[in-house]
Amino acid sequence: SQKIEQNSEALNIQEGKTATLTCNYTNYSPAYLQWYRQDPGRGPVFLLLIRENEKEKRKERLKVTFDTTLKQSLFHITASQPADSATYLCAPQNTGRRALTFGSGTRLQVQP
Amino acid sequence: DTEVTQTPKHLVMGMTNKKSLKCEQHMGHRAMYWYKQKAKKPPELMFVYSYEKLSINESVPSRFSPECPNSSLLNLHLHALQPEDSALYLCASSQWDKNTGELFFGEGSRLTVL
Repeated sequence: SQKIEQNSEALNIQEGKTATLTCNYTNYSPAYLQWYRQDPGRGPVFLLLIRENEKEKRKERLKVTFDTTLKQSLFHITASQPADSATYLCAPQNTGRRALTFGSGTRLQVQP
Repeated sequence: DTEVTQTPKHLVMGMTNKKSLKCEQHMGHRAMYWYKQKAKKPPELMFVYSYEKLSINESVPSRFSPECPNSSLLNLHLHALQPEDSALYLCASSQWDKNTGELFFGEGSRLTVL
């Protein structure tokens, strides 16, 4: 069966450091992988999409990598700030599948 | 306008009540979704509508009844719910004719079933 695994434990880092979050998947052949941010009690917000033929994608302080051999995506936030504290969800997306299935999410806590 | 609006924000209902959750978007998206989210869990897909037709039902119990009256509106009719149905119900929309369409989520309706 298909599985999406993200660090289930919260990630605590110091302000200014780089946060690295992991998304591993099995029994997917995703053409794309999307990352979302969710704050408590609110709906997820889209951050980045990376395609299978892209190794890396950047947006401001965010960087995503996608390794289809390892079946893994890494999500980096550089120069982290307390405002980056949230839960981050990944969603591998097979071709033709519009609806997303999300990983369990990783809660990031950035300490000032 | 890049908003998905959900009403009500909070709803408390008894197990014998009938209520509805509403969702509206004006981005011209032809795909709309209902997700259910329990505490400390990710959103779980319930239903997908494309061009106002139900295209995916993820084996959701019949006490949840979706409806898409037009391309901007999505309803979720609730009847005879159980306390375990208490959750945050999220509506989302996306472009259907674009493989990589990102999902735009509303802020959710927090449902409590007594």
